[in-house]
Amino acid sequence: KQEVTQIPAALSVPEGENLVLNCSFTDSAIYNLQWFRQDPGKGLTSLLLIQSSQREQTSGRLNASLDKSSGRSTLYIAASQPGDSATYLCAFWMTTDSWGKLQFGAGTQVVVTP
Amino acid sequence: GAVVSQHPSRVICKSGTSVKIECRSLDFQATTMFWYRQFPKQSLMLMATSNEGSKATYEQGVEKDKFLINHASLTLSTLTVTSAHPEDSSFYICSARDETSGGYTDTQYFGPGTRLTVL
Repeated sequence: KQEVTQIPAALSVPEGENLVLNCSFTDSAIYNLQWFRQDPGKGLTSLLLIQSSQREQTSGRLNASLDKSSGRSTLYIAASQPGDSATYLCAFWMTTDSWGKLQFGAGTQVVVTP
Repeated sequence: GAVVSQHPSRVICKSGTSVKIECRSLDFQATTMFWYRQFPKQSLMLMATSNEGSKATYEQGVEKDKFLINHASLTLSTLTVTSAHPEDSSFYICSARDETSGGYTDTQYFGPGTRLTVL
Protein backbone atom coordinates (compact mmCIF):
# COMPACT_ATOMS: atom_id res chain seq x y z
CA LYS A 1 0.00 0.00 0.00
CA GLN A 2 1.33 3.41 -0.91
CA GLU A 3 2.35 5.59 1.99
CA VAL A 4 2.42 9.29 1.20
CA THR A 5 4.07 11.74 3.57
CA GLN A 6 4.17 15.50 3.31
CA ILE A 7 6.73 17.44 5.31
CA PRO A 8 6.41 19.85 6.94
CA ALA A 9 2.79 19.66 8.06
CA ALA A 10 2.73 23.43 8.48
CA LEU A 11 4.96 26.27 7.38
CA SER A 12 4.98 30.01 8.01
CA VAL A 13 7.26 32.34 6.06
CA PRO A 14 7.54 36.07 5.47
CA GLU A 15 6.52 37.42 2.10
CA GLY A 16 9.23 37.14 -0.52
CA GLU A 17 10.84 33.97 0.75
CA ASN A 18 10.94 30.85 -1.40
CA LEU A 19 8.81 27.91 -0.31
CA VAL A 20 9.95 24.30 -0.46
CA LEU A 21 7.31 21.64 0.12
CA ASN A 22 8.21 17.97 0.23
CA CYS A 23 6.23 14.87 -0.62
CA SER A 24 7.62 11.36 -0.20
CA PHE A 25 6.18 8.03 -1.22
CA THR A 26 7.07 4.41 -0.64
CA ASP A 27 5.89 2.71 -3.82
CA SER A 28 7.66 3.80 -7.02
CA ALA A 29 4.96 2.31 -9.26
CA ILE A 30 3.39 5.70 -9.71
CA TYR A 31 2.13 6.88 -13.04
CA ASN A 32 1.43 10.53 -12.53
CA LEU A 33 1.86 12.98 -9.71
CA GLN A 34 -0.28 16.03 -9.20
CA TRP A 35 0.10 18.98 -6.87
CA PHE A 36 -3.04 20.74 -5.67
CA ARG A 37 -3.88 23.82 -3.68
CA GLN A 38 -6.82 23.90 -1.26
CA ASP A 39 -8.12 27.06 0.34
CA PRO A 40 -10.01 26.76 3.65
CA GLY A 41 -13.43 25.18 3.17
CA LYS A 42 -12.95 24.96 -0.57
CA GLY A 43 -12.29 22.36 -3.20
CA LEU A 44 -8.98 21.64 -4.89
CA THR A 45 -7.20 23.56 -7.61
CA SER A 46 -4.74 21.65 -9.74
CA LEU A 47 -1.33 23.33 -9.88
CA LEU A 48 0.97 20.97 -11.74
CA LEU A 49 0.79 17.48 -13.23
CA ILE A 50 3.98 15.49 -13.73
CA GLN A 51 3.91 12.32 -15.76
CA SER A 52 6.15 9.48 -14.59
CA SER A 53 8.44 9.93 -17.59
CA GLN A 54 9.06 13.56 -16.66
CA ARG A 55 11.31 14.92 -13.97
CA GLU A 56 9.81 18.35 -13.49
CA GLN A 57 7.11 20.79 -14.51
CA THR A 58 7.03 24.56 -14.26
CA SER A 59 4.24 27.07 -14.25
CA GLY A 60 5.03 30.67 -13.42
CA ARG A 61 6.52 30.85 -9.94
CA LEU A 62 5.84 27.16 -9.35
CA ASN A 63 8.21 24.31 -10.08
CA ALA A 64 7.61 20.68 -9.19
CA SER A 65 10.17 17.90 -9.45
CA LEU A 66 9.76 14.14 -9.35
CA ASP A 67 12.43 11.60 -8.43
CA LYS A 68 10.93 8.13 -8.49
CA SER A 69 14.16 6.43 -7.48
CA SER A 70 14.29 8.30 -4.19
CA GLY A 71 10.53 8.36 -3.75
CA ARG A 72 10.31 12.10 -3.59
CA SER A 73 8.59 15.08 -5.14
CA THR A 74 9.25 18.72 -4.27
CA LEU A 75 7.14 21.79 -4.96
CA TYR A 76 9.02 25.09 -5.10
CA ILE A 77 7.19 28.39 -4.94
CA ALA A 78 9.42 31.34 -5.69
CA ALA A 79 9.03 34.76 -4.09
CA SER A 80 6.05 33.84 -1.95
CA GLN A 81 3.07 36.17 -1.61
CA PRO A 82 0.29 36.35 1.01
CA GLY A 83 -2.06 34.99 -1.66
CA ASP A 84 -0.05 31.77 -1.66
CA SER A 85 -1.39 30.97 1.82
CA ALA A 86 -3.28 27.68 1.51
CA THR A 87 -2.88 23.94 2.04
CA TYR A 88 -0.86 22.17 -0.63
CA LEU A 89 -1.56 18.52 -1.37
CA CYS A 90 0.38 16.03 -3.44
CA ALA A 91 -1.43 13.10 -5.00
CA PHE A 92 -0.44 10.07 -6.99
CA TRP A 93 -1.95 7.94 -9.69
CA MET A 94 -0.73 4.40 -9.20
CA THR A 95 -0.16 2.07 -12.11
CA THR A 96 -1.67 -0.68 -10.00
CA ASP A 97 -4.94 1.17 -9.59
CA SER A 98 -7.74 1.94 -11.95
CA TRP A 99 -7.42 5.06 -14.04
CA GLY A 100 -7.73 8.28 -12.17
CA LYS A 101 -7.66 6.89 -8.65
CA LEU A 102 -5.64 9.43 -6.71
CA GLN A 103 -3.91 8.82 -3.39
CA PHE A 104 -3.37 11.98 -1.39
CA GLY A 105 -0.89 13.13 1.18
CA ALA A 106 -2.16 14.92 4.28
CA GLY A 107 -0.98 18.29 2.99
CA THR A 108 1.26 21.16 4.06
CA GLN A 109 -0.50 24.21 5.46
CA VAL A 110 1.32 27.34 4.32
CA VAL A 111 1.00 30.84 5.77
CA VAL A 112 2.79 33.72 4.08
CA THR A 113 2.91 36.80 6.27
CA PRO A 114 3.03 40.31 4.78
CA GLY B 1 -9.78 25.35 -17.21
CA ALA B 2 -12.62 22.89 -16.86
CA VAL B 3 -15.24 23.54 -14.20
CA VAL B 4 -16.94 21.12 -11.84
CA SER B 5 -19.80 22.31 -9.69
CA GLN B 6 -21.37 20.85 -6.56
CA HIS B 7 -24.74 21.51 -5.05
CA PRO B 8 -25.49 22.30 -2.33
CA SER B 9 -22.37 23.92 -0.90
CA ARG B 10 -23.67 23.49 2.63
CA VAL B 11 -26.38 21.37 4.14
CA ILE B 12 -27.56 20.86 7.68
CA CYS B 13 -29.95 18.02 8.37
CA LYS B 14 -31.44 16.06 11.22
CA SER B 15 -30.21 12.61 12.13
CA GLY B 16 -32.03 9.90 10.19
CA THR B 17 -32.76 11.95 7.09
CA SER B 18 -31.22 11.47 3.65
CA VAL B 19 -29.19 14.06 1.81
CA LYS B 20 -28.41 14.24 -1.91
CA ILE B 21 -25.32 15.98 -3.26
CA GLU B 22 -24.93 16.73 -6.97
CA CYS B 23 -21.70 16.91 -8.92
CA ARG B 24 -21.72 18.35 -12.45
CA SER B 25 -19.02 18.79 -15.06
CA LEU B 26 -20.00 22.05 -16.74
CA ASP B 27 -17.99 22.18 -19.93
CA PHE B 28 -16.82 18.64 -20.55
CA GLN B 29 -18.12 15.11 -20.43
CA ALA B 30 -16.92 12.68 -17.82
CA THR B 31 -17.62 8.98 -17.86
CA THR B 32 -15.80 8.73 -14.55
CA MET B 33 -16.31 10.85 -11.47
CA PHE B 34 -14.92 10.38 -7.99
CA TRP B 35 -16.31 11.05 -4.55
CA TYR B 36 -13.98 11.96 -1.67
CA ARG B 37 -14.50 12.65 1.98
CA GLN B 38 -12.33 14.97 4.05
CA PHE B 39 -12.27 15.34 7.81
CA PRO B 40 -10.85 18.50 9.42
CA LYS B 41 -7.09 18.85 8.91
CA GLN B 42 -6.94 15.50 7.16
CA SER B 43 -6.43 14.56 3.57
CA LEU B 44 -8.98 13.44 1.06
CA MET B 45 -10.05 9.83 1.21
CA LEU B 46 -11.55 8.28 -1.88
CA MET B 47 -14.98 6.82 -1.16
CA ALA B 48 -16.05 5.56 -4.55
CA THR B 49 -15.60 5.79 -8.28
CA SER B 50 -18.73 6.69 -10.18
CA ASN B 51 -19.09 5.23 -13.67
CA GLU B 52 -21.63 6.52 -16.15
CA GLY B 53 -24.19 3.87 -16.96
CA SER B 54 -22.90 1.28 -14.53
CA LYS B 55 -22.54 0.62 -10.83
CA ALA B 56 -20.15 2.60 -8.72
CA THR B 57 -17.00 1.03 -7.35
CA TYR B 58 -16.64 1.53 -3.61
CA GLU B 59 -13.43 1.61 -1.63
CA GLN B 60 -12.89 -0.85 1.18
CA GLY B 61 -14.78 0.11 4.29
CA VAL B 62 -17.30 2.36 2.57
CA GLU B 63 -20.91 1.19 2.95
CA LYS B 64 -22.49 1.16 -0.47
CA ASP B 65 -26.01 0.99 0.97
CA LYS B 66 -25.37 4.10 3.01
CA PHE B 67 -23.66 6.15 0.32
CA LEU B 68 -25.70 5.69 -2.83
CA ILE B 69 -24.10 6.87 -6.04
CA ASN B 70 -25.87 7.43 -9.34
CA HIS B 71 -24.09 8.53 -12.49
CA ALA B 72 -27.06 9.11 -14.74
CA SER B 73 -25.41 11.14 -17.49
CA LEU B 74 -22.00 12.15 -18.77
CA THR B 75 -22.15 15.38 -16.79
CA LEU B 76 -23.92 14.46 -13.54
CA SER B 77 -23.17 12.19 -10.61
CA THR B 78 -25.11 12.22 -7.34
CA LEU B 79 -24.16 11.01 -3.87
CA THR B 80 -27.00 10.29 -1.45
CA VAL B 81 -26.15 9.88 2.20
CA THR B 82 -29.00 7.74 3.53
CA SER B 83 -30.16 7.81 7.14
CA ALA B 84 -27.46 10.30 8.01
CA HIS B 85 -25.92 10.35 11.48
CA PRO B 86 -23.64 12.88 13.19
CA GLU B 87 -20.57 10.81 12.34
CA ASP B 88 -21.37 11.36 8.65
CA SER B 89 -20.71 15.06 9.12
CA SER B 90 -17.81 15.88 6.84
CA PHE B 91 -16.67 17.75 3.76
CA TYR B 92 -17.57 15.84 0.60
CA ILE B 93 -15.70 16.63 -2.62
CA CYS B 94 -16.28 15.25 -6.07
CA SER B 95 -13.96 15.26 -9.05
CA ALA B 96 -14.37 14.53 -12.71
CA ARG B 97 -11.81 13.27 -15.15
CA ASP B 98 -11.48 15.22 -18.38
CA GLU B 99 -10.82 12.44 -20.84
CA THR B 100 -10.09 14.65 -23.82
CA SER B 101 -6.39 13.80 -23.95
CA GLY B 102 -6.96 10.14 -23.28
CA GLY B 103 -5.23 7.84 -20.83
CA TYR B 104 -3.11 8.64 -17.82
CA THR B 105 -2.50 12.22 -18.86
CA ASP B 106 -6.08 13.05 -17.99
CA THR B 107 -6.45 15.77 -15.42
CA GLN B 108 -8.98 15.61 -12.62
CA TYR B 109 -10.97 18.69 -11.83
CA PHE B 110 -12.45 19.06 -8.40
CA GLY B 111 -15.70 20.54 -7.26
CA PRO B 112 -15.83 23.18 -4.50
CA GLY B 113 -17.06 20.67 -1.95
CA THR B 114 -20.19 20.23 0.17
CA ARG B 115 -20.14 20.72 3.92
CA LEU B 116 -22.56 18.28 5.54
CA THR B 117 -23.56 18.74 9.15
CA VAL B 118 -25.85 16.17 10.73
CA LEU B 119 -27.47 17.25 13.97
